[in-house]
Amino acid sequence: KNEVEQSPQNLTAQEGEFITINCSYSVGISALHWLQQHPGGGIVSLFMLSSGKKKHGRLIATINIQEKHSSLHITASHPRDSAVYICAVKNSGGSNYKLTFGKGTLLTVNP
Amino acid sequence: SAVISQKPSRDICQRGTSLTIQCQVDSQVTMMFWYRQQPGQSLTLIATANQGSEATYESGFVIDKFPISRPNLTFSTLTVSNMSPEDSSIYLCSVSGGLSYEQYFGPGTRLTVT
Repeated sequence: KNEVEQSPQNLTAQEGEFITINCSYSVGISALHWLQQHPGGGIVSLFMLSSGKKKHGRLIATINIQEKHSSLHITASHPRDSAVYICAVKNSGGSNYKLTFGKGTLLTVNP
Repeated sequence: SAVISQKPSRDICQRGTSLTIQCQVDSQVTMMFWYRQQPGQSLTLIATANQGSEATYESGFVIDKFPISRPNLTFSTLTVSNMSPEDSSIYLCSVSGGLSYEQYFGPGTRLTVT
């Protein structure tokens, strides 16, 4: 079992829909990242969470440390949101900022 | 935040050759990392590039295959040596610094080995 599991693997939505991507992890963490990867390969950091909830524009990220679970929500989705969304965790302990990555969720938003 | 650039953005190389990928950051950073993302897979850490000393490699990656340089706090190179088709991947540079766990990624280098 991977340390970081994402669901769903693939998600297709119509423009305007509310989208939720889930991430579960099995280790103690000090931080969780949500990343966005576009087809060209470059990665953009969306959020870094250690507790609670963060919001940026139409994106909302939440984390429940006790349940070892995080969600990324996109409100009023748009075709430009189409990308791979990756959850990554920083294990608690350690000193080199090493991240463990999920396999990603491929989101396609149709007009 | 940190702005990272990588060169080249993509390349097609022949088996047995080597390619050096450059990573430039717009500010001084403590930690620089090199990741590989094979087709359909998640990112895997190759090594941590240490300024002024040898890189720290993860299990399964060796210096002879992936030599890394880090001459200063804003620049690093990764060389993929004696390439085979299995090295076809996206290679990403990443940086982190300061007391937070923020981590920033470059645009990636898409490598195809024929």
